[in-house]
Amino acid sequence: AQRVTQPEKLLSVFKGAPVELKCNYSYSGSPELFWYVQYSRQRLQLLLRHISRESIKGFTADLNKGETSFHLKKPFAQEEDSAMYYCALSARGVTGGGNKLTFGTGTQLKVEL
Amino acid sequence: NAGVTQTPKFRVLKTGQSMTLLCAQDMNHEYMYWYRQDPGMGLRLIHYSVGEGTTAKGEVPDGYNVSRLKKQNFLLGLESAAPSQTSVYFCASSSAPGTGIDEQFFGPGTRLTVL
Repeated sequence: AQRVTQPEKLLSVFKGAPVELKCNYSYSGSPELFWYVQYSRQRLQLLLRHISRESIKGFTADLNKGETSFHLKKPFAQEEDSAMYYCALSARGVTGGGNKLTFGTGTQLKVEL
Repeated sequence: NAGVTQTPKFRVLKTGQSMTLLCAQDMNHEYMYWYRQDPGMGLRLIHYSVGEGTTAKGEVPDGYNVSRLKKQNFLLGLESAAPSQTSVYFCASSSAPGTGIDEQFFGPGTRLTVL
């Protein structure tokens, strides 16, 4: 069974400081990983996925299969980055499994002035 | 397009009462999901559907039932609500695998309190 671990419930940084939100996973197949973000009073939305290897709102995440990690990074935090961040793993390839996502417990990022 | 909508937004139930949460999507997605979000637990999959007329159990299905009679709607039912079902419920939808679009789109959530 797959598992996603986000060790930090809360991460507090100052504006302009670097941010790293940790995510580790366990999965026997080939993983597909995502970061979702939930801003205050808004719905969850996709931030980025490892397949795209893109940078969204200054955030990047690299899949490290050796360390089974998919940490989210941003060099300079902005106040508007304050939100709840969820790492998620897709159980793709499971017959009839759809695109089921297994979520981590989330990390609340607070950017202070 | 409205995307994914959920009805109602808030509800308070007494233990033992029943209710149905409605999820609707207008993106012609094949797959739909129901999650619950609890503090410190993240989102956990309750049930999901890979097409009209099909449903399957997720990680925490006990105490819930679902139906997908129409492609655009996915209903979550609580037959006899319990305080442990106090949570925020999120519906999501996505395209089928192989379409190249694997993002799940989420609804705004339903906050349910069971007294």
